[in-house]
Amino acid sequence: DPKIIQKPKYLVAVTGSEKILICEQYLGHNAMYWYRQSAKKPLEFMFSYSYQKLMDNQTASSRFQPQSSKKNHLDLQITALKPDDSATYFCASSQERTPNTEVFFGKGTRLTVV
Amino acid sequence: LAKTTQPPSMEAYEGQEVNVSCSHTNIATSEYIYWYRQVPHQGPQFIIQGYKDYVVNEVASLFISADRKLSTLSLPWVSLRDAAVYYCIVTDNYAQGLTFGLGTRVSVFP
Repeated sequence: DPKIIQKPKYLVAVTGSEKILICEQYLGHNAMYWYRQSAKKPLEFMFSYSYQKLMDNQTASSRFQPQSSKKNHLDLQITALKPDDSATYFCASSQERTPNTEVFFGKGTRLTVV
Repeated sequence: LAKTTQPPSMEAYEGQEVNVSCSHTNIATSEYIYWYRQVPHQGPQFIIQGYKDYVVNEVASLFISADRKLSTLSLPWVSLRDAAVYYCIVTDNYAQGLTFGLGTRVSVFP
């Protein structure tokens, strides 16, 4: 059973629209993250949350807004979508932010902006 | 300046041992070395982590040079399922997220 659930698996959006990517983790972890992987580019760290508080934001654009309504939820709202936003977005989580921490990743949401 | 340098690709046949090297010449004393792998259409998966010397688990082994500037991930008896992109990551602060480079694409042939 997947322990990190991302919804939807695939998403097609129109330029200028707004979408929310859902992430729920059932590992009991305190830290959650969002990463993005565009075609033929390395995985790129976007945000980290710990105990539902933003710890680090490496995303320059304010169009990307994480939302944590519950400890095990970290959704990603993207507004004013652009074709360049097309990518696979991975949610991840870990128990603690220490050197011995293993980070678990979801299977991703593949977003295509047309 | 990249924190790690890996070969872009490697090839092996099933049953062979694969050794993937990673250079991290500027590694800080507080940093640990992590290896992840990613198969198509999946998120990365943790393989192993270490600080110095030699680490082994049920999946792989990790050798770290005495000066910690070079590490080698060893995959014994690879199968087709081991075909993936392997990432070497050096960090001491997860709050800043993991920095993934281009990794090493390991191809396995039957």
